[in-house]
Amino acid sequence: EAQVTQNPRYLITVTGKKLTVTCSQNMNHEYMSWYRQDPGLGLRQIYYSMNVEVTDKGDVPEGYKVSRKEKRNFPLILESPSPNQTSLYFCASSDGQGSYEQYFGPGTRLTVT
Amino acid sequence: QKEVEQNSGPLSVPEGAIASLNCTYSDRGSQSFFWYRQYSGKSPELIMFIYSNGDKEDGRFTAQLNKASQYVSLLIRDSQPSDSATYLCAVGWGFGNEKLTFGTGTRLTIIP
Repeated sequence: EAQVTQNPRYLITVTGKKLTVTCSQNMNHEYMSWYRQDPGLGLRQIYYSMNVEVTDKGDVPEGYKVSRKEKRNFPLILESPSPNQTSLYFCASSDGQGSYEQYFGPGTRLTVT
Repeated sequence: QKEVEQNSGPLSVPEGAIASLNCTYSDRGSQSFFWYRQYSGKSPELIMFIYSNGDKEDGRFTAQLNKASQYVSLLIRDSQPSDSATYLCAVGWGFGNEKLTFGTGTRLTIIP
Protein backbone atom coordinates (compact mmCIF):
# COMPACT_ATOMS: atom_id res chain seq x y z
CA GLU A 1 0.00 0.00 0.00
CA ALA A 2 1.30 3.42 -1.01
CA GLN A 3 1.68 5.49 2.11
CA VAL A 4 3.56 8.01 4.20
CA THR A 5 4.30 6.87 7.73
CA GLN A 6 5.27 8.94 10.73
CA ASN A 7 6.54 7.94 14.13
CA PRO A 8 5.70 8.49 16.85
CA ARG A 9 2.04 9.42 16.45
CA TYR A 10 1.89 11.02 19.88
CA LEU A 11 4.71 12.44 21.95
CA ILE A 12 4.85 14.34 25.22
CA THR A 13 8.24 15.70 26.13
CA VAL A 14 9.90 18.38 28.22
CA THR A 15 11.55 21.60 27.21
CA GLY A 16 15.06 21.15 25.88
CA LYS A 17 15.04 17.39 25.37
CA LYS A 18 16.09 16.65 21.79
CA LEU A 19 13.67 14.62 19.75
CA THR A 20 13.29 13.24 16.23
CA VAL A 21 10.06 12.55 14.36
CA THR A 22 10.58 10.08 11.57
CA CYS A 23 8.87 10.16 8.18
CA SER A 24 9.06 7.52 5.49
CA GLN A 25 7.35 7.10 2.11
CA ASN A 26 7.20 4.05 -0.13
CA MET A 27 6.16 5.79 -3.37
CA ASN A 28 9.66 6.71 -4.58
CA HIS A 29 8.69 10.39 -4.42
CA GLU A 30 11.36 13.03 -4.89
CA TYR A 31 9.66 15.78 -2.93
CA MET A 32 9.02 15.66 0.80
CA SER A 33 7.84 18.30 3.27
CA TRP A 34 7.11 18.90 6.89
CA TYR A 35 4.18 21.01 8.09
CA ARG A 36 2.80 22.06 11.43
CA GLN A 37 -0.88 22.72 12.00
CA ASP A 38 -2.10 25.05 14.71
CA PRO A 39 -5.63 26.31 15.43
CA GLY A 40 -6.28 29.59 13.69
CA LEU A 41 -2.98 29.45 11.82
CA GLY A 42 -3.61 26.53 9.50
CA LEU A 43 -0.95 24.37 7.91
CA ARG A 44 2.46 25.99 7.65
CA GLN A 45 5.43 24.52 5.84
CA ILE A 46 8.52 24.03 7.98
CA TYR A 47 11.04 22.51 5.55
CA TYR A 48 10.92 20.80 2.21
CA SER A 49 13.24 18.61 0.20
CA MET A 50 13.43 18.25 -3.56
CA ASN A 51 15.75 15.24 -3.52
CA VAL A 52 18.43 13.48 -1.53
CA GLU A 53 20.72 16.02 0.17
CA VAL A 54 18.60 18.93 -1.15
CA THR A 55 16.55 20.72 1.50
CA ASP A 56 15.26 24.24 1.94
CA LYS A 57 13.41 26.32 4.49
CA GLY A 58 9.68 26.76 4.40
CA ASP A 59 7.76 29.50 6.14
CA VAL A 60 8.46 28.54 9.77
CA PRO A 61 11.87 26.80 9.97
CA GLU A 62 13.12 28.29 13.25
CA GLY A 63 13.85 25.65 15.88
CA TYR A 64 13.78 22.73 13.44
CA LYS A 65 16.30 20.73 11.45
CA VAL A 66 15.87 18.18 8.73
CA SER A 67 18.02 15.81 6.73
CA ARG A 68 17.47 13.79 3.57
CA LYS A 69 20.10 11.11 3.36
CA GLU A 70 17.84 8.59 1.66
CA LYS A 71 15.04 9.20 -0.79
CA ARG A 72 12.39 7.51 1.34
CA ASN A 73 13.17 9.14 4.70
CA PHE A 74 12.88 12.73 5.87
CA PRO A 75 13.23 13.06 9.65
CA LEU A 76 12.33 16.23 11.55
CA ILE A 77 14.66 17.10 14.40
CA LEU A 78 13.92 19.41 17.31
CA GLU A 79 17.28 20.03 18.99
CA SER A 80 15.86 21.94 21.96
CA PRO A 81 12.06 21.83 21.93
CA SER A 82 10.10 24.65 23.49
CA PRO A 83 6.41 24.88 24.45
CA ASN A 84 5.65 26.99 21.36
CA GLN A 85 6.50 23.93 19.26
CA THR A 86 3.53 22.09 20.70
CA SER A 87 1.57 21.31 17.56
CA LEU A 88 0.28 18.71 15.12
CA TYR A 89 2.98 17.82 12.60
CA PHE A 90 2.43 16.35 9.15
CA CYS A 91 4.94 14.91 6.74
CA ALA A 92 4.03 14.85 3.06
CA SER A 93 5.51 13.58 -0.18
CA SER A 94 4.96 14.26 -3.87
CA ASP A 95 6.32 13.12 -7.21
CA GLY A 96 6.41 16.74 -8.38
CA GLN A 97 4.42 16.18 -11.55
CA GLY A 98 0.91 15.59 -12.81
CA SER A 99 -1.50 16.87 -10.21
CA TYR A 100 1.43 17.70 -7.89
CA GLU A 101 -0.59 16.10 -5.13
CA GLN A 102 1.10 16.01 -1.76
CA TYR A 103 0.34 12.79 0.14
CA PHE A 104 0.18 13.40 3.85
CA GLY A 105 1.17 11.13 6.67
CA PRO A 106 -1.18 10.48 9.62
CA GLY A 107 0.28 13.25 11.75
CA THR A 108 2.29 13.45 14.98
CA ARG A 109 0.79 15.28 17.92
CA LEU A 110 3.63 16.79 19.94
CA THR A 111 3.26 18.35 23.38
CA VAL A 112 6.23 20.16 24.94
CA THR A 113 5.85 20.99 28.62
CA GLN B 1 5.20 36.73 2.40
CA LYS B 2 2.64 34.95 0.28
CA GLU B 3 -0.78 34.93 1.89
CA VAL B 4 -3.88 32.87 1.33
CA GLU B 5 -7.14 33.98 2.89
CA GLN B 6 -10.23 31.92 3.58
CA ASN B 7 -13.37 32.53 5.58
CA SER B 8 -12.98 30.20 8.55
CA GLY B 9 -16.72 29.56 8.78
CA PRO B 10 -18.38 27.51 9.95
CA LEU B 11 -20.43 27.30 6.80
CA SER B 12 -23.67 25.35 7.09
CA VAL B 13 -25.40 24.08 3.96
CA PRO B 14 -28.52 21.90 3.67
CA GLU B 15 -28.08 18.46 2.18
CA GLY B 16 -28.54 18.53 -1.58
CA ALA B 17 -27.67 22.22 -1.92
CA ILE B 18 -24.55 23.80 -3.43
CA ALA B 19 -21.71 24.66 -1.06
CA SER B 20 -19.50 27.53 -2.16
CA LEU B 21 -16.05 27.97 -0.66
CA ASN B 22 -13.87 30.95 -1.43
CA CYS B 23 -10.19 31.80 -1.27
CA THR B 24 -8.06 34.81 -2.16
CA TYR B 25 -4.29 34.98 -2.53
CA SER B 26 -1.79 37.78 -2.40
CA ASP B 27 0.90 36.85 -4.95
CA ARG B 28 -0.24 37.81 -8.43
CA GLY B 29 2.42 35.55 -9.90
CA SER B 30 0.97 32.40 -8.32
CA GLN B 31 0.38 29.62 -10.84
CA SER B 32 -0.98 26.57 -9.07
CA PHE B 33 -3.98 26.25 -6.80
CA PHE B 34 -5.21 23.35 -4.76
CA TRP B 35 -8.17 22.37 -2.63
CA TYR B 36 -7.55 19.86 0.13
CA ARG B 37 -10.20 18.32 2.35
CA GLN B 38 -9.46 17.45 5.95
CA TYR B 39 -11.82 15.42 8.09
CA SER B 40 -11.58 15.96 11.83
CA GLY B 41 -8.57 14.12 13.22
CA LYS B 42 -7.36 13.07 9.77
CA SER B 43 -4.76 14.16 7.25
CA PRO B 44 -5.47 16.53 4.36
CA GLU B 45 -6.26 14.92 1.02
CA LEU B 46 -6.28 16.56 -2.40
CA ILE B 47 -9.68 16.93 -4.05
CA MET B 48 -9.04 19.48 -6.81
CA PHE B 49 -6.21 21.36 -8.48
CA ILE B 50 -6.42 24.13 -11.06
CA TYR B 51 -3.84 26.08 -13.04
CA SER B 52 -5.80 27.92 -15.73
CA ASN B 53 -8.41 30.64 -15.53
CA GLY B 54 -11.94 29.35 -15.67
CA ASP B 55 -13.73 26.32 -14.34
CA LYS B 56 -12.58 22.77 -13.81
CA GLU B 57 -15.11 20.08 -12.97
CA ASP B 58 -14.62 16.69 -11.37
CA GLY B 59 -17.80 14.90 -10.40
CA ARG B 60 -19.70 17.01 -7.89
CA PHE B 61 -16.76 19.37 -7.45
CA THR B 62 -15.98 22.46 -9.54
CA ALA B 63 -12.94 24.64 -8.99
CA GLN B 64 -13.01 28.17 -10.36
CA LEU B 65 -9.97 30.38 -10.87
CA ASN B 66 -9.86 34.09 -11.62
CA LYS B 67 -6.26 35.24 -11.71
CA ALA B 68 -7.16 38.87 -12.41
CA SER B 69 -9.11 39.00 -9.16
CA GLN B 70 -6.69 36.64 -7.37
CA TYR B 71 -9.60 34.49 -6.42
CA VAL B 72 -10.19 30.75 -6.40
CA SER B 73 -13.34 28.96 -5.32
CA LEU B 74 -14.70 25.47 -4.85
CA LEU B 75 -18.30 24.51 -5.52
CA ILE B 76 -19.74 21.29 -4.19
CA ARG B 77 -23.00 20.30 -5.86
CA ASP B 78 -25.59 18.02 -4.28
CA SER B 79 -23.87 18.35 -0.91
CA GLN B 80 -23.82 15.21 1.20
CA PRO B 81 -23.28 14.80 4.96
CA SER B 82 -19.99 13.07 4.07
CA ASP B 83 -18.80 16.41 2.64
CA SER B 84 -18.72 17.85 6.16
CA ALA B 85 -15.05 18.66 6.71
CA THR B 86 -12.57 21.51 6.69
CA TYR B 87 -11.54 22.63 3.21
CA LEU B 88 -8.06 24.02 2.79
CA CYS B 89 -7.09 26.27 -0.09
CA ALA B 90 -3.41 26.17 -1.05
CA VAL B 91 -1.17 28.01 -3.48
CA GLY B 92 1.86 26.20 -4.83
CA TRP B 93 5.05 27.34 -6.42
CA GLY B 94 8.44 25.97 -7.31
CA PHE B 95 9.38 23.63 -10.13
CA GLY B 96 7.40 20.76 -8.64
CA ASN B 97 5.02 22.85 -6.55
CA GLU B 98 7.07 21.67 -3.61
CA LYS B 99 6.26 24.86 -1.73
CA LEU B 100 2.68 25.22 -0.56
CA THR B 101 1.05 28.05 1.34
CA PHE B 102 -2.26 27.10 2.90
CA GLY B 103 -5.17 29.18 4.01
CA THR B 104 -6.54 28.56 7.49
CA GLY B 105 -9.41 26.50 6.11
CA THR B 106 -13.20 26.73 6.00
CA ARG B 107 -15.20 24.36 8.15
CA LEU B 108 -18.20 23.07 6.20
CA THR B 109 -21.18 21.34 7.79
CA ILE B 110 -23.86 19.70 5.66
CA ILE B 111 -27.16 19.61 7.47
CA PRO B 112 -29.30 16.49 6.73
